[in-house]
Amino acid sequence: DGGITQSPKYLFRKEGQNVTLSCEQNLNHDAMYWYRQDPGQGLRLIYYSQIVNDFQKGDIAEGYSVSREKKESFPLTVTSAQKNPTAFYLCASSRFRDGNQPQHFGDGTRLSIL
Amino acid sequence: RKEVEQDPGPFNVPEGATVAFNCTYSNSASQSFFWYRQDCRKEPKLLMSVYSSGNEDGRFTAQLNRASQYISLLIRDSKLSDSATYLCVVNREQAGTALIFGKGTTLSVSS
Repeated sequence: DGGITQSPKYLFRKEGQNVTLSCEQNLNHDAMYWYRQDPGQGLRLIYYSQIVNDFQKGDIAEGYSVSREKKESFPLTVTSAQKNPTAFYLCASSRFRDGNQPQHFGDGTRLSIL
Repeated sequence: RKEVEQDPGPFNVPEGATVAFNCTYSNSASQSFFWYRQDCRKEPKLLMSVYSSGNEDGRFTAQLNRASQYISLLIRDSKLSDSATYLCVVNREQAGTALIFGKGTTLSVSS
């Protein structure tokens, strides 16, 4: 089945530790995105990539890093510089063309501080 | 004005009721509009795209008013399974792919 796979489903981070969240898609979508959702809040864009080997900062990129070495993969690293990392992290992908292109989401990773 | 603004609710309605959600957006150059549904502790799922002429999908009707920068979602004959948070979504740039998500309107349908 085509879709977006995020792993792990739950992740715990120790103080000062970097952690990497995986996102893989087999939809042949060009564009991929990372969002963060805090309880009772909307989705906030962290980073996005519209093509391999290129990515742009979103609204809250500080303390995060990404790479896009393959079309299928867009991992997110939560660095120790992100002081409040506890949140629900959602990866999405979409086709890259003009017009209505909705995003499709993975089922998310919940990150907590130990 | 916030980029995408929704009434957070909650909207509490009985089964069979008709309920409408509204959303306003600030960027007059926006071209793409969507409604997503998000269940508690789950990922958002696309409910429907919103077209200029308005569109319907079963019990759901979406409408767009570009002049007023206003989007609506109408749900007829509400079911218990419609209970969720409904997110209004607008594209961030005229021809780009990044989207802006509203904070959502919560609907609770009771028997």
